[in-house]
Amino acid sequence: AQSVTQLGSHVSVSEGALVLLRCNYSSSVPPYLFWYVQYPNQGLQLLLKYTTGATLVKGINGFEAEFKKSETSFHLTKPSAHMSDAAEYFCAVSQGGTSYGKLTFGQGTILTVHP
Amino acid sequence: EAGVTQFPSHSVIEKGQTVTLRCDPISGHDNLYWYRRVMGKEIKFLLHFVKESKQDESGMPNNRFLAERTGGTYSTLKVQPAELEDSGVYFCASSEKAGISEEYFGPGTRLTVL
Repeated sequence: AQSVTQLGSHVSVSEGALVLLRCNYSSSVPPYLFWYVQYPNQGLQLLLKYTTGATLVKGINGFEAEFKKSETSFHLTKPSAHMSDAAEYFCAVSQGGTSYGKLTFGQGTILTVHP
Repeated sequence: EAGVTQFPSHSVIEKGQTVTLRCDPISGHDNLYWYRRVMGKEIKFLLHFVKESKQDESGMPNNRFLAERTGGTYSTLKVQPAELEDSGVYFCASSEKAGISEEYFGPGTRLTVL
């Protein structure tokens, strides 16, 4: 069984400030970890993913996340927020193999960026 | 290249009625997934097709839900009869092959059962 917890359903930052969205997971097997973003009236878009190898993963739009096994975390960061980053962000986990695409999601975090 | 499309974008029906949601995956994608997000909750997996076969339907809530994937192309998800708790956003996603292929999501169908 696996689960994902996103700490904070709403996060508000100022433009230019650091963005930190928290994600903790539980998994009985080595996890595959994902961050997705959803803009209004659009589908979810993959920001980045961790499968194996380097634990610091860089994604699109300047986002990155670090897999920390000891902390069972996969927090998403961006050094400087932009107004266009305002969206809902989802952390997800899968078990890989034939279940790679079977994603278990967190509850989502709505990011608001203030001018 | 067209993305994953879903129809309708919104549907409002009364309890007891039938609704059919449609998903057109990206052409050539063997894997098709359905997910659902009930208001205020997380997005939950419903089922997974590989071509026309159901690989995993462990997330289907009950037998009022029927999913099909005709000829391994588009998929439909029928709810019959609909109940109030079926309200939510239904997402479809597709990926090219098994393994670590990126999953592309459609915009979702918002279903409201009154």
